[in-house]
Amino acid sequence: AQSVTQLDSQVPVFEEAPVELRCNYSSSVSVYLFWYVQYPNQGLQLLLKYLSGSTLVKGINGFEAEFNKSQTSFHLRKPSVHISDTAEYFCAVIPMDSNYQLIWGAGTKLIIKP
Amino acid sequence: DGGITQSPKYLFRKEGQNVTLSCEQNLNHDAMYWYRQDPGQGLRLIYYSQIVNDFQKGDIAEGYSVSREKKESFPLTVTSAQKNPTAFYLCASRRAGEVSNQPQHFGDGTRLSIL
Repeated sequence: AQSVTQLDSQVPVFEEAPVELRCNYSSSVSVYLFWYVQYPNQGLQLLLKYLSGSTLVKGINGFEAEFNKSQTSFHLRKPSVHISDTAEYFCAVIPMDSNYQLIWGAGTKLIIKP
Repeated sequence: DGGITQSPKYLFRKEGQNVTLSCEQNLNHDAMYWYRQDPGQGLRLIYYSQIVNDFQKGDIAEGYSVSREKKESFPLTVTSAQKNPTAFYLCASRRAGEVSNQPQHFGDGTRLSIL
């Protein structure tokens, strides 16, 4: 069965420090990969996506992610976080099978400490 | 600007009542989705629709119903059969058909609470 695992439910980090949010997936077919951000009491907003090509993708708000096929990972990184990055981050994949539905991770709350 | 509108933002329901959550999109997207979000549980798919007049159950469809009479609209009814309806409900849409890798776009959600 296909699945997405976000290894940390919460990640606390000091302001201006770097951060990495981890995402691993399991799928018998190739996948498209996505990271979304959810601010409190709001819907989800697309941060970045990997469809093909360069494995390093850049998104909005200074975030980037690297697709590692051998490790089936798509970790999200930012070199210096700001208080406004406080949010929940979701990793999702679309398996390239006939269903093409998103499979979601459980989310990681990024907590920025002043 | 195009987008997805969910209304109302907050909704209260008495036990035993049905309640309908609205979702409208002007993105000309074919597919629409309803998710339920509970604290610490991520997103769980309730129903989805790939085209007008057709929809499929997701992982947690029991106690919910939907309709898709128009491309722009995908209302969700939470029935009295749903025993624990308090949650944050998110509606999403995406291009579908031949374009299989398109991301979903989300509304701002409706928070449903039981009185």
